[in-house]
Amino acid sequence: GQNIDQPTEMTATEGAIVQINCTYQTSGFNGLFWYQQHAGEAPTFLSYNVLDGLEEKGRFSSFLSRSKGYSYLLLKELQMKDSASYLCAVRDGTALIFGKGTTLSVSS
Amino acid sequence: DAGVIQSPRHEVTEMGQEVTLRCKPISGHDYLFWYRQTMMRGLELLIYFNNNVPIDDSGMPEDRFSAKMPNASFSTLKIQPSEPRDSAVYFCASSSPVGVHADTQYFGPGTRLTVL
Repeated sequence: GQNIDQPTEMTATEGAIVQINCTYQTSGFNGLFWYQQHAGEAPTFLSYNVLDGLEEKGRFSSFLSRSKGYSYLLLKELQMKDSASYLCAVRDGTALIFGKGTTLSVSS
Repeated sequence: DAGVIQSPRHEVTEMGQEVTLRCKPISGHDYLFWYRQTMMRGLELLIYFNNNVPIDDSGMPEDRFSAKMPNASFSTLKIQPSEPRDSAVYFCASSSPVGVHADTQYFGPGTRLTVL
């Protein structure tokens, strides 16, 4: 079956660093995406990993280990506007299979 | 460039009524996806099209749901008859297999459907 696991909720304070983990078991794998979704809005693309290792993009980084079926999204220098849901999605063929998302709350 | 456009943004209807959701993908994108998002089940793929042809509709919950893509710039998702359990946010997304962000799906703003 297809299974993607992420923590349901996380909290952090402004300026801190937070790591959101994602583990997956899927029948196929063509890459892993992270999306950000603010309440009441559409998911927006953050990052994409297809090879093992770390991809850095400004304050956000994403890591992938295909052998372990594991990824994480690292958010540095947290800001209040980073309060949102973060969705991990595995690409299997053309389709994306989404985890249920991790709701991150950033407080001052 | 305009993003994915969906209409209506909100729809409130009564059980048994027909509902039609509309989507205009990003110009030049070959793939179009319909998703449904609920608190319980998260974001689920319903169906996707490639070059206007339905490729995988295994996520469509039942025969009450149907989707069409008559041309490259327009798609509809229809629910007939609607039921309260269909209440959800329905997203449309599109992607292209080429370019810097090949295969990245870009989402529309969604349609929040409430069936009373």
